Amino acid sequence: DQQVKQNSPSLSVQEGRISILNCDYTNSMFDYFLWYKKYPAEGPTFLISISSIKDKNEDGRFTVFLNKSAKHLSLHIVPSQPGDSAVYFCAATPSAAGNKLTFGGGTRVLVKP
Amino acid sequence: SQTIHQWPATLVQPVGSPLSLECTVEGTSNPNLYWYRQAAGRGLQLLFYSVGIGQISSEVPQNLSASRPQDRQFILSSKKLLLSDSGFYLCAWSGLAQETQYFGPGTRLLVL
Repeated sequence: DQQVKQNSPSLSVQEGRISILNCDYTNSMFDYFLWYKKYPAEGPTFLISISSIKDKNEDGRFTVFLNKSAKHLSLHIVPSQPGDSAVYFCAATPSAAGNKLTFGGGTRVLVKP
Repeated sequence: SQTIHQWPATLVQPVGSPLSLECTVEGTSNPNLYWYRQAAGRGLQLLFYSVGIGQISSEVPQNLSASRPQDRQFILSSKKLLLSDSGFYLCAWSGLAQETQYFGPGTRLLVL
């Protein structure tokens, strides 16, 4: 039973345009959400997070939106750059559960110059 | 600042051989430590986590074990590797009561 799903395995976008990555979850106990970026043969790098008490968090070119009623979050990257080409994972946790993260399957983003 | 190390970076082992992967964290005390595996084309699966020395929780039944002999050292082991143990193994740490986890560079394990 996948509690965190990223239904788009890949995304291709032109440099300078917006990249929108989506993530859905099923566990109502999740109240903290994170996005990670991963290059091949490297560990994931933390990008941005959001608590369930907010519906938006912004950090530079990255913005995460949370819709609790729909159990949906998204990551917007504006403007997209070639260096953003990587696999992006969303993750979720119920904060009280020892910080165990449940990850989605990832979305591979390709930014074309 | 905190850093996390994993070694080796790559490992090729025959079926039935033992395994020991090591992870160490610098620049923090009493971290929570985690072992994940990423199978080819898949997401990250939590294998073990530890909230303190000698305290290990296993998330999935498997051919692997973990130990935490020191505060900032986390070891992943197996007595006899299976073909299905191949994958990319990642160690991560988080601060106490902190949700964000920070990952090491990973170890690519190929069992032949």
